[in-house]
Amino acid sequence: DAKTTQPNSMESNEEEPVHLPCNHSTISGTDYIHWYRQLPSQGPEYVIHGLTSNVNNRMASLAIAEDRKSSTLILHRATLRDAAVYYCILRDYDNAGNMLTFGGGTRLMVKP
Amino acid sequence: NAGVTQTPKFRILKIGQSMTLQCAQDMNHNYMYWYRQDPGMGLKLIYYSVGAGITDKGEVPNGYNVSRSTTEDFPLRLELAAPSQTSVYFCASSRFQTPPPGQSLNIVLDEQYFGPGTRLTVT
Repeated sequence: DAKTTQPNSMESNEEEPVHLPCNHSTISGTDYIHWYRQLPSQGPEYVIHGLTSNVNNRMASLAIAEDRKSSTLILHRATLRDAAVYYCILRDYDNAGNMLTFGGGTRLMVKP
Repeated sequence: NAGVTQTPKFRILKIGQSMTLQCAQDMNHNYMYWYRQDPGMGLKLIYYSVGAGITDKGEVPNGYNVSRSTTEDFPLRLELAAPSQTSVYFCASSRFQTPPPGQSLNIVLDEQYFGPGTRLTVT
């Protein structure tokens, strides 16, 4: 799987939007972009994924650049509960195993 | 549904001891995984299984063994525990499906569901 680059940490104020960037300049045509997050002392949880088009769900939005070399996870109104490590992961469905390769992620801190 | 359950939550082992970490899921998922997470790091895949009777190595399999005799259970065995195996262990499962021909790939969903983890210390 191609690698991703994320800032180590970011800070946000409660109830403000948060834009978490991810660079993946070596992404291939069959790589999906997945986001997971890990709340303190918990296992990771799925947030959202996409291939080419922007995606929305109840948790977040995913904006994918036209050349697919970068993407942004958008939390529309950060809450204290959104404080977590956010992982941007590329998944190639041509590979067997369906495994996730986690990098360091971005630690999001939310200030009240 | 209980989702993915793991036992025990915590365990302290002495060097050279053995133990089995239990993992079970009640979602009828075909894929199951074991990851470990060292402090301040991302997760690394130890072993995975694509169905009962089928297992394969991940990124860091040395020192571990797995079996998958049923769809529901995927135990991880540590033989001869070493301090380097001190970590938090997460089990996960997913219902992987290949996108049907012609279908928009954006709607394929195979999210992995993670258990709460087992914190293991080897001293």
